[in-house]
Amino acid sequence: DAGVTQSPTHLIKTRGQQVTLRCSPKSGHDTVSWYQQALGQGPQFIFQYYEEEERQRGNFPDRFSGHQFPNYSSELNVNALLLGDSALYLCASSPTGGGTGELFFGEGSRLTVL
Amino acid sequence: AQSVTQLGSHVSVSEGALVLLRCNYSSSVPPYLFWYVQYPNQGLQLLLKYTSAATLVKGINGFEAEFKKSETSFHLTKPSAHMSDAAEYFCAVSLSGGSYGKLTFGQGTILTVHP
Repeated sequence: DAGVTQSPTHLIKTRGQQVTLRCSPKSGHDTVSWYQQALGQGPQFIFQYYEEEERQRGNFPDRFSGHQFPNYSSELNVNALLLGDSALYLCASSPTGGGTGELFFGEGSRLTVL
Repeated sequence: AQSVTQLGSHVSVSEGALVLLRCNYSSSVPPYLFWYVQYPNQGLQLLLKYTSAATLVKGINGFEAEFKKSETSFHLTKPSAHMSDAAEYFCAVSLSGGSYGKLTFGQGTILTVHP
């Protein structure tokens, strides 16, 4: 049973560029959440997708956008990259109804903005 | 809004000693509480969770945590530390356990285990 998978694992971009990160949820899960983890910090909630719609959003600017596909996989897009966007981006999935609330995390995509 | 405070960004123990990682939460409604562990260059793995059942929760790798409403605490303990426990630990709170819930994490505590 595959867990949450993310790609790419590492990438380097320059300021002003755009990036797309991808996530496939755990089998049987239909809800995908994205988190940003800056160095030395705890993960911060970006947004959550369910039934191909953004259901909740954290305190992140509109440069951060996402999408969920019919197969429940998801993408995170960040436009006009800033140095401060350098972080580990974590995707997490959960089942319909949320189970008992825990999220299952992928290993993350580490973005470096130069 | 909910929040989590982890007391101590770094904790160092000797192998075989008691591990105690502190977490206090703030929530306007009964919370769901979680402890996650993160090894270097990896994602987060769930250690244990409190979802309004038993207040003493047992997790994987010999860890346990006790929910104390009066103290708004959910401290993580392990009787005897092992070298493999060295990692970063995050406490998290969710206002609801359903799929509408989102996790608010603490800043993390790095656990170092000395031989």
